[in-house]
Amino acid sequence: GESVGLHLPTLSVQEGDNSIINCAYSNSASDYFIWYKQESGKGPQFIIDIRSNMDKRQGQRVTVLLNKTVKHLSLQIAATQPGDSAVYFCAENMGGSQGNLIFGKGTKLSVKP
Amino acid sequence: DTAVSQTPKYLVTQMGNDKSIKCEQNLGHDTMYWYKQDSKKFLKIMFSYNNKELIINETVPNRFSPKSPDKAHLNLHINSLELGDSAVYFCASSRTGVSTNEKLFFGSGTQLSVL
Repeated sequence: GESVGLHLPTLSVQEGDNSIINCAYSNSASDYFIWYKQESGKGPQFIIDIRSNMDKRQGQRVTVLLNKTVKHLSLQIAATQPGDSAVYFCAENMGGSQGNLIFGKGTKLSVKP
Repeated sequence: DTAVSQTPKYLVTQMGNDKSIKCEQNLGHDTMYWYKQDSKKFLKIMFSYNNKELIINETVPNRFSPKSPDKAHLNLHINSLELGDSAVYFCASSRTGVSTNEKLFFGSGTQLSVL
C-alpha cells in the first residue's frame, strides 16, 4: 500500500541471525508481488517475486511468504550479512489493463557485525 | 555494461529553471518508467511508456514531460522547476509491461536538488 507515517521502519539484527521483514499490501485483487533491495545511493534491485497462486517461494538465502487472507507479505533472510544492510521494499501489482506496480513504504535493515 | 543508465547522477539547479534527465536501457525491453522517490524513501510511479507509447501517466504536473525517441530511451524534461520537485528520480524498464507481471530493472537514480 501507500506510505504512511513519518519514519522509515527499521530492523536491526546481529550478523548471522535470520531477518524477517513484513509488508501489508492494500489490494486483495493484486496478483503479483516483488521484494526489492535498495542500497544507499543506488536504485532498487530485484530480490524475489511471488504470484498470488503461491504462498511460499524460496531463493538463495531468501524466502517470501504470502498470506492472501490477511494481505500480508514477508521476506525472510537467512544468516543475515553486513551486505544485506539496505532498505527493503515490497511491491504489489494492482493489475488493470495498464498494470501498476505500487511500492510499500520500505523497511531499513541494519546488520550489526 | 550498465543495464539501465541515467544521467546525470546529481542535478543542482535554481527554481524556475528547465532541466532534463536522460535514461537508456540496453536490455531490449519494451517498457520504460519514471519513478520519483521522496525524502521518506517513498517510491511513486510517474510515467510508463511501452514501445514509445505513453501507457501510464499518474497525476503529475504538466511541467513534467517524458519523451521517448525510441524504445531504448525515455527522457524526462522538467519545466519551471519548483522546490517540491527535489527528490531522487529513477528510470526503470521491464521486458514487456507491468500488467504481464514483469519485474522492473532500475537505474541508479538522479538526485535533483532545487534551490
